[in-house]
Amino acid sequence: GENVEQHPSTLSVQEGDSAVIKCTYSDSASNYFPWYKQELGKRPQLIIDIRSNVGEKKDQRIAVTLNKTAKHFSLHITETQPEDSAVYFCAASKDNFNKFYFGSGTKLNVKP
Amino acid sequence: DTAVSQTPKYLVTQMGNDKSIKCEQNLGHDTMYWYKQDSKKFLKIMFSYNNKELIINETVPNRFSPKSPDKAHLNLHINSLELGDSAVYFCASSQVPGAYTEAFFGQGTRLTVV
Repeated sequence: GENVEQHPSTLSVQEGDSAVIKCTYSDSASNYFPWYKQELGKRPQLIIDIRSNVGEKKDQRIAVTLNKTAKHFSLHITETQPEDSAVYFCAASKDNFNKFYFGSGTKLNVKP
Repeated sequence: DTAVSQTPKYLVTQMGNDKSIKCEQNLGHDTMYWYKQDSKKFLKIMFSYNNKELIINETVPNRFSPKSPDKAHLNLHINSLELGDSAVYFCASSQVPGAYTEAFFGQGTRLTVV
């Protein structure tokens, strides 16, 4: 089955700095990679996703990159703000697979 | 409009009891899931249902029994609760299983077994 590893487990940055979270996956057939943000006590919510036919995707201050050959993908947050503080999860899935495999989560703390 | 709603939000119960968590989605999705989030925040798939049929059971003890009366509902019944069952349980749904579609999560049910 798929195995998704996520690093680091915790990340502390100063407001305005950039944050990078990295994930690797094991199943080369995985073709969809969403990122979820979970604020304290709330549900995980999708913030950005990328398909395997794309190498990079950007949405304002967040971007995701995918390296299919190396089987890793990363989340980049620029100009971080205190409201970016949350736990971030990467995930991997593939067509008709009926589940998403999640990474172990990264707790991001943005210090004002 | 709540897309995926689950009840109750909090559940405190004694060891050995039986309890149920209900989940409903109004998104017209075919696939629903139950995830368990432990104290370390790890999100682990428990079950996946596609159009009322069980697709995935990820080696969950048979004390956990999901039931899907229709494709908009996926309830979770837990028998003989144990201390280790304490966690936050999330229901989720997606339009087509895993095919480039977002999983929408419910607000979670924090289960505490004492």
